[in-house]
Amino acid sequence: EIVLTQFPGTLSLSPGERATLSCRASQSVNSISIVWYQQKPGQSPRVLIYGASRRATGIPERFTGSGSGTDFTLTITNLEPEDFAVYYCQHYGTPLPYTFGQGTRLEIK
Amino acid sequence: EVQLVQSGPEVKKPGESLKISCKGSGYDFTKHWIGWVRQTPGKGLEWMGIIYPGDSDTTYSPSFEGQVIISVDKSINTAYLQWRSLKASDSAMYYCVRRGVEVTPTMREFYNWFDPWGQGTLVTVSS
Repeated sequence: EIVLTQFPGTLSLSPGERATLSCRASQSVNSISIVWYQQKPGQSPRVLIYGASRRATGIPERFTGSGSGTDFTLTITNLEPEDFAVYYCQHYGTPLPYTFGQGTRLEIK
Repeated sequence: EVQLVQSGPEVKKPGESLKISCKGSGYDFTKHWIGWVRQTPGKGLEWMGIIYPGDSDTTYSPSFEGQVIISVDKSINTAYLQWRSLKASDSAMYYCVRRGVEVTPTMREFYNWFDPWGQGTLVTVSS
């Protein structure tokens, strides 16, 4: 099983700043299998990035995914008020099971 | 619009059975895998299993194999998650999800993701 560790657990920033969220896999994974989701309070998660770096439909350009091997990053530039949420990375590939990181909470400073 | 609409919240006692549902609309239901994800404050998001409505091919996470049953009725575009005997530890929010897929530029692999997610079904198991 691929264990994903996200850090930091909580990130406190102000609107307009840049957020860097990290996701580390317990072993090297194919980058096509890394997905990032955003979950706002009281809502279901929604996909932001798939294949480590491909923006999902309708996702603003300020969201960028990168990384390879065991280390992956979600960068959000010029934070908007609606970006403050919890972010999860996911391994959607082999070996099963598909796993999620524990999440990073992005909060307003 | 592609949508997954789940059944409403449930309150059950330990030992009772339960079947929750997820109805897909806005797309060919038989051609996209449907999965289930559990969310709890303690363990976060956990993938439980996935089913292909076209032929009911199902794969379970080892953590949930034998604990739940995933099924589908393609005649009514609906997937199900079922428990025969609930435990307090089954209390959670459950989401159904549709597999998104795109072929990679090399045409040899696939990108995968979950989208959309249903609105969630809150299951509470308490004596």
